[in-house]
Amino acid sequence: NAGVMQNPRHLVRRRGQEARLRCSPMKGHSHVYWYRQLPEEGLKFMVYLQKENIIDESGMPKERFSAEFPKEGPSILRIQQVVRGDSAAYFCASSPAAVYGYTFGSGTRLTVV
Amino acid sequence: KNEVEQSPQNLTAQEGEFITINCSYSVGISALHWLQQHPGGGIVSLFMLSSGKKKHGRLIATINIQEKHSSLHITASHPRDSAVYICAVKEGTGNQFYFGTGTSLTVIP
Repeated sequence: NAGVMQNPRHLVRRRGQEARLRCSPMKGHSHVYWYRQLPEEGLKFMVYLQKENIIDESGMPKERFSAEFPKEGPSILRIQQVVRGDSAAYFCASSPAAVYGYTFGSGTRLTVV
Repeated sequence: KNEVEQSPQNLTAQEGEFITINCSYSVGISALHWLQQHPGGGIVSLFMLSSGKKKHGRLIATINIQEKHSSLHITASHPRDSAVYICAVKEGTGNQFYFGTGTSLTVIP
């Protein structure tokens, strides 16, 4: 069981480009959560997904950010037209059900230059 | 929105010392998570608890639901315990965890 896999580990994008962050949950986990950790700040919830459904996206910025968790393949967090303020560590976590705790991935560190 | 506060923010200890990190929250919860984050590294879940006490090796986590307070204890601390420890709480019907800003622990040999 490989755990929660996130890739890439580090991603550098120029302002205005798109960033795609991938998260493969643990085997048997159908619930995925994305969190963002800005420099010197705590983790903040972004979105909660189950297979093919967005359950709660109350923490997602209204523009430029989107997330999906297709029937096949990893969950994708997509940031369009990145700006410097998007530079952060993005963590994905998965669980077998909402009532359980979850396992975190190692994160993707996005740097916008 | 649940306000999660941790204390202390920073902690330096000598190897072998007993360490306590505290977490308090403002709204009733269904679960509380203690997480460990190493510098530049990923996040590891240490405990999830909703009542009482859990123990794993040198780590002990307790929670007092009435007082809205949890503690993480490390016995016989070691330099490899140096990390940021984060408390996260989940409200009864909510989908997300609310996180404290973490306690940065440094254990000196």
